[in-house]
Amino acid sequence: NAGVTQTPKFQVLKTGQSMTLQCAQDMNHNSMYWYRQDPGMGLRLIYYSASEGTTDKGEVPNGYNVSRLNKREFSLRLESAAPSQTSVYFCASSESLAGVQFFGPGTRLTVL
Amino acid sequence: DQQVKQNSPSLSVQEGRISILNCDYTNSMFDYFLWYKKYPAEGPTFLISISSIKDKNEDGRFTVFLNKSAKHLSLHIVPSQPGDSAVYFCAASTMYNNNDMRFGAGTRLTVKP
Repeated sequence: NAGVTQTPKFQVLKTGQSMTLQCAQDMNHNSMYWYRQDPGMGLRLIYYSASEGTTDKGEVPNGYNVSRLNKREFSLRLESAAPSQTSVYFCASSESLAGVQFFGPGTRLTVL
Repeated sequence: DQQVKQNSPSLSVQEGRISILNCDYTNSMFDYFLWYKKYPAEGPTFLISISSIKDKNEDGRFTVFLNKSAKHLSLHIVPSQPGDSAVYFCAASTMYNNNDMRFGAGTRLTVKP
C-alpha cells in the first residue's frame, strides 16, 4: 500500500499561472483534506471532502478550488497563483471526518 | 488567531532522558487532542491522542497529559531515542471533527546520542 501520494513534489510558478496538485489514497478512505503549512504556523485546512461527491471550505479556502474526482482522488487547483500561496501543501485522508488522518509527503510550491 | 500554540520552537535532550513537549489552546470547546510527528520530506504521522474525558493516555514510551483547567497538554517521551528526532505537532478539534481541527506550529525535537 502506498498510502497517500501527492504529485508533484516540487513546483515553481510565476504569478498568475495556474496549476493542479494531485492527491490519491489507496486506503479506501471516505474523507480527504488539503492543508497548507507556512513557516511559524501550524497546518491550516484549505478544503475537505467528507465523502465522495462532497466538498467544503476549510479555514483558508480563498484562491483555491478542489475536485473530488472519485473516492481515491482529490485535487487542489490554483487558478491564478499569487506569491502568498507559496507554501508546503499536504493532502490527507481518513476513514471518516472523525478518523485519524493519514498524510501525504507534501508538495513544496513557490510562486515568484 | 492561533487557537493552538506550541511556544517552544525547538527542544534538545540527551538520549535516554525524558522529552517534554508542551501545547496550549484557547478554545474551551476543543475536546479531542492529538500529537503528530513529522520527519523531513515526509507528511505528519499520527502518534497519540486523548479525549477530554481523560487526563492521561499512554502508548509505550509516549504519554500525553491533559490539563483542561489550564487548557494545556503535554507529550512525554521516556526514554528518548535518537530516532525520536522530528517535528512534533499538537492538534485539537471539537467532537472528533477533522474539519475544524487546529494545529500548533510544531516543536523540533533533537535527541542527542
